[in-house]
Amino acid sequence: EVQLVESGGGLVQPGGSLRLSCAASGFTFSSYDMHWVRQVIGKGLEWVSAIGTLGDTYYAVSVKGRFTISRENAKNTLYLQMNTLRAGDTAVYYCVREFVGTTNTFDVWGQGTMVTVSS
Amino acid sequence: DIQMTQSPSSLSAFVGDRVTITCRSSQSITGYLNWYQQKPGKVPKLLIYAASSLQSGVPSRFSGSGSGTDFTLTISSLQPEDFATYFCQQSYSIPRSFGQGTKLEIK
Repeated sequence: EVQLVESGGGLVQPGGSLRLSCAASGFTFSSYDMHWVRQVIGKGLEWVSAIGTLGDTYYAVSVKGRFTISRENAKNTLYLQMNTLRAGDTAVYYCVREFVGTTNTFDVWGQGTMVTVSS
Repeated sequence: DIQMTQSPSSLSAFVGDRVTITCRSSQSITGYLNWYQQKPGKVPKLLIYAASSLQSGVPSRFSGSGSGTDFTLTISSLQPEDFATYFCQQSYSIPRSFGQGTKLEIK
């Protein structure tokens, strides 16, 4: 079964750090671009970051310079290091696989991990 | 960056109704447009990809159309399980971007 399982979320004070992990299984992880998408509960979806199969990285303006995406193909794991966290970063963070076919689609989503930034 | 705008932001309809949701991009994305359905407390689910292709397992009452900057998602006959929030998303360029969502509610 194709699966993504996030971990590492929690409560952190403003200015603090967290590292999210996403364990992939059931597919060849190294062959896929991977993304992080976040969602404030009850609100819309916001793309956060992406990493390509060659390790190229991309960030939303709102997190650039504070967040770092990385992958460890040997461990089938995606990471998001989040530093200098702000209240506005509070959201559910989803790990997402992007399938590149006729178009590019977010075809597999993890269950999400909640990040709360509050004092 | 490409901005995605959906309308309406909310919609009330009866079971059996035909409904249409529209999505507009701030620049041409050719056919790189996907639609997702999200039910409360659940993960988004891919419905339509490449503007008009139905994802495997999705009922045929769902359809998509459009190209360039204007797209639509149509549900031909609403079923009780279709009441959810729908998001469009462009995959033409990075940063990827989503519409703000359309919440479909039972009338």
